[in-house]
Amino acid sequence: EAGVAQSPRYKIIEKRQSVAFWCNPISGHATLYWYQQILGQGPKLLIQFQNNGVVDDSQLPKDRFSAERLKGVDSTLKIQPAKLEDSAVYLCASSPRQGRKGTGYTFGSGTRLTVV
Amino acid sequence: GDSVTQMEGPVTLSEEAFLTINCTYTATGYPSLFWYVQYPGEGLQLLLKATKADDKGSNKGFEATYRKETTSFHLEKGSVQVSDSAVYFCALSGGYQKVTFGIGTKLQVIP
Repeated sequence: EAGVAQSPRYKIIEKRQSVAFWCNPISGHATLYWYQQILGQGPKLLIQFQNNGVVDDSQLPKDRFSAERLKGVDSTLKIQPAKLEDSAVYLCASSPRQGRKGTGYTFGSGTRLTVV
Repeated sequence: GDSVTQMEGPVTLSEEAFLTINCTYTATGYPSLFWYVQYPGEGLQLLLKATKADDKGSNKGFEATYRKETTSFHLEKGSVQVSDSAVYFCALSGGYQKVTFGIGTKLQVIP
């Protein structure tokens, strides 16, 4: 089966600019996650979708970050305006469905964002 | 809330040495436990998992046992190879399948 697709792989922007990342999960996976991985740290959950609804966005900086999952398939994460501390790898992951113990995730390769 | 503590790296070993990466967790209830691996320039891959106490997860020669009494899930491999060089993340999953990760331990294996 095809894996989780993310684009772009790399992005360099100036601070205060906007940027968008795209993710296409594994076909049929109901749950989609966006994680932020700052260099030297573990991934931090930004937002979790179940189909096209938000389950958890408690750690999403909503003043500058937004995400949507129209039609419950692919998803877009946007940052506007970007700050230097947003430099990180943004990982998308999907899993078959919520509530199934021990499922684990399948991750995409990530988008490496550098804000200068 | 849920948290994972794992040993800081980097860990440098010679090829064929024995590997242990320590991981302890704090969680309510009975979480599932995972080890993920991240090779240079790639995304995270699930290495192994355990869903209940005393379960042993294994894959590619790596093993980890879910120890509820010590809240630990240490990763072990009897003989590491250069190709095992990567960053290893311990993680747990509680309610709603949200996965909480540790900071990662970088392993470097030298020939």
